[in-house]
Amino acid sequence: GAVVSQHPSRVICKSGTSVKIECRSLDFQATTMFWYRQFPKQSLMLMATSNEGSKATYEQGVEKDKFLINHASLTLSTLTVTSAHPEDSSFYICSANNLAGGRKTQYFGPGTRLLVL
Amino acid sequence: DQQVKQNSPSLSVQEGRISILNCDYTNSMFDYFLWYKKYPAEGPTFLISISSIKDKNEDGRFTVFLNKSAKHLSLHIVPSQPGDSAVYFCAASDKGGTSYGKLTFGQGTILTVHP
Repeated sequence: GAVVSQHPSRVICKSGTSVKIECRSLDFQATTMFWYRQFPKQSLMLMATSNEGSKATYEQGVEKDKFLINHASLTLSTLTVTSAHPEDSSFYICSANNLAGGRKTQYFGPGTRLLVL
Repeated sequence: DQQVKQNSPSLSVQEGRISILNCDYTNSMFDYFLWYKKYPAEGPTFLISISSIKDKNEDGRFTVFLNKSAKHLSLHIVPSQPGDSAVYFCAASDKGGTSYGKLTFGQGTILTVHP
């Protein structure tokens, strides 16, 4: 099946620093990618929709200046957590939509565990 | 506002028996529903889906039932196996425009299948 990768898988950083997370679709082109975050024992919450060649669409309550999204190509989207704080510590998961396969073909990456000290 | 709800945080089942996971939704615009399986520190893996024009979809040991009037769906796993132990998420989407593919997830149900 289709594969989505994320890098890094785990990152620990100091408060105030910025962290970039990459999401790649490895064997298909994704015009749309989604970024989710998951707090422990909670559901996946959609943060934003990343559109290739245009601005990301953010969900209500998500600060676009804090969570910068760049969809540079049809296979790469990046999420940058700017000036990270301990409350940003979470599990960040991306997914990529293969439109050719219909809505069920949304493939998820393995996630990135962010810990801000 | 939780538009997709999985009211059972956990379910324990004996190997070989049926596992039934439930999901309710409130948004009448949802027209496509999916079930995902997730292990800790991993991304969700797609299991099975159903369109709102159907009331049942079956794939091997997995069957999803949809009751639109009750805004309720369920995932049946039979027979259950220890390898099915994981967190199961129900997700829903609507078909409109830029939200194509945007998923709303339930809280998840932890399934434990005992040998």
